[in-house]
Amino acid sequence: DAGITQSPRHKVTETGTPVTLRCHQTENHRYMYWYRQDPGHGLRLIHYSYGVKDTDKGEVSDGYSVSRSKTEDFLLTLESATSSQTSVYFCAISGGAGGPYNEQFFGPGTRLTVL
Amino acid sequence: QKEVEQDPGPLSVPEGAIVSLNCTYSNSAFQYFMWYRQYSRKGPELLMYTYSSGNKEDGRFTAQVDKSSKYISLFIRDSQPSDSATYLCAMITGTASKLTFGTGTRLQVTL
Repeated sequence: DAGITQSPRHKVTETGTPVTLRCHQTENHRYMYWYRQDPGHGLRLIHYSYGVKDTDKGEVSDGYSVSRSKTEDFLLTLESATSSQTSVYFCAISGGAGGPYNEQFFGPGTRLTVL
Repeated sequence: QKEVEQDPGPLSVPEGAIVSLNCTYSNSAFQYFMWYRQYSRKGPELLMYTYSSGNKEDGRFTAQVDKSSKYISLFIRDSQPSDSATYLCAMITGTASKLTFGTGTRLQVTL
């Protein structure tokens, strides 16, 4: 998985609890992304980062926040988890933006269930 | 209407068949096109990458882009059971930093 790990790989939590997912890369890539994948919706971008402390929203960012204090780590936080956030979450990395540098490489995913 | 449309399938073919997977898109600014393969309970992996119109071949796989029709295809020759997976198309403009994905087509190759 191109030097990308995600933790935890599986998590079950209760509605209203905070949850943090971690993405760690060893490729020194500048860009990092968080997606969620749901049946019928495909991959949807939650947030992305284009450098340390530089982040931006994706198409489904409500209820999620992110932080990137180091090049290798990108954290996704659900401040107060809801059942609608039950999903599979993927982290991805890419070396750059625009054109040929935006080949994205994906991590193994985190399966999150909110009861 | 979504920017990228992809038939979700499932598509079931016998081993050895030629498979054609397709996506249509509406944004004429897309210039770079990718195909990802995703096995069950795994992350997507990049399979093919093409720029602008034309064909690109890699072993049993051929990616084709027709920008005039806003249509891209992935052909798999001599399909194998190991090709059973979900195939997602993705595309991007020359300046954006975010890919736009299709929803994926689930392919089943049977013995």
